[in-house]
Amino acid sequence: ETGVTQSPTHLIKTRGQQVTLRCSSQSGHNTVSWYQQALGQGPQFIFQYYREEENGRGNFPPRFSGLQFPNYSSELNVNALELDDSALYLCASSTPGQGNGYTFGSGTRLTVV
Amino acid sequence: GNSVTQMEGPVTLSEEAFLTINCTYTATGYPSLFWYVQYPGEGLQLLLKATKADDKGSNKGFEATYRKETTSFHLEKGSVQVSDSAVYFCARPRDYKLSFGAGTTVTVRA
Repeated sequence: ETGVTQSPTHLIKTRGQQVTLRCSSQSGHNTVSWYQQALGQGPQFIFQYYREEENGRGNFPPRFSGLQFPNYSSELNVNALELDDSALYLCASSTPGQGNGYTFGSGTRLTVV
Repeated sequence: GNSVTQMEGPVTLSEEAFLTINCTYTATGYPSLFWYVQYPGEGLQLLLKATKADDKGSNKGFEATYRKETTSFHLEKGSVQVSDSAVYFCARPRDYKLSFGAGTTVTVRA
């Protein structure tokens, strides 16, 4: 059983640029969630995708957007990057049901300069 | 407000010491509860979970008991190792997401 894979592992972008982060979900998981973890903080929920549609969103502006594909993989897109977007971006896959754990990837470390 | 409150630390221990990290939750029912661990430079790993009241989750020598009377899910390990140095997060599902505590940084010295 493969786990959650994220790419790239590290990325440096300039303020104002756009970035796309990618995530392959664990085999058998049809739900993907994205989290932002600033240095020294806990993860903050960005949004969740189920059946290729966004079905929940945290307190993030519209310049954070995403996609889920038929194979359940997902992308996170961030437009007009700001310095405060520098963080570890974590993808988690799961199956519906609160008792099920979420499997996290190793994350993408984004640095905006 | 946050539905999970966690002892923030940081916590520094010697090898073989006893570790406890407090976590309490607020909820109208009995949600599943999780402990995640984040080793330096890595993502989150599920350490253990409990899906109903009075359940005990355990893994790698860590234990946590879901206590509805005190709405708590404290993490314990009887004898820590240097390799247990990490950040530990208590979490519960809330709507369609995981709500995390602030995290507790644990450093174990040889």
